[in-house]
Amino acid sequence: EDQVTQSPEALRLQEGESSSLNCSYTVSGLRGLFWYRQDPGKGPEFLFTLYSAGEEKEKERLKATLTKKESFLHITAPKPEDSATYLCAVQASRDLTQGGSEKLVFGKGTKLTVNP
Amino acid sequence: EAGVTQFPSHSVIEKGQTVTLRCDPISGHDNLYWYRRVMGKEIKFLLHFVKESKQDESGMPNNRFLAERTGGTYSTLKVQPAELEDSGVYFCASSYGHFRSQYFGPGTRLLVL
Repeated sequence: EDQVTQSPEALRLQEGESSSLNCSYTVSGLRGLFWYRQDPGKGPEFLFTLYSAGEEKEKERLKATLTKKESFLHITAPKPEDSATYLCAVQASRDLTQGGSEKLVFGKGTKLTVNP
Repeated sequence: EAGVTQFPSHSVIEKGQTVTLRCDPISGHDNLYWYRRVMGKEIKFLLHFVKESKQDESGMPNNRFLAERTGGTYSTLKVQPAELEDSGVYFCASSYGHFRSQYFGPGTRLLVL
């Protein structure tokens, strides 16, 4: 069964204090790994998709990386507005005609708080 | 461009009643997904439509849940009769094409008393 584990569950940083969030996964063939940001009372907001080990993507202060077993979301010099829950999800590469699915399997998320 | 919209934003019902949730995907998106998160748990997949057809309904918990997508546009998710354990946040997402990024709506918060 596909599984995603995110750590830490919660992280408090001071403004400007860089850090990384971890997403470990087990999946029988990875099609894609997705990072989302979720603010309280809102739906997940798409950030990145990573498809293969070694791939990296950046957006403002965020950089996502991928290995064969885990992904990291690096946050450089965070600001208070980066405070949110960051969700990681995987999608397996099983063929749709062989009973595959496009479903995303989510982790529980990391709640990030950045203090001014 | 408008994002995924969901209605209602909140719903409070009593056990045994019926509730219908609605999702309007991003215009032109042929794929529509339903997910839910119950208290303290991760977001979990319910089902996936491609246009008006159910591609994958492996996550539907039981036959009290009925999803439809008439005409391949908006979708409804009906819970009948609702049970206490159905409380949670129901998210809808949409995408264009296979295995593309899924864009989520704001969710419907359902409380069954």
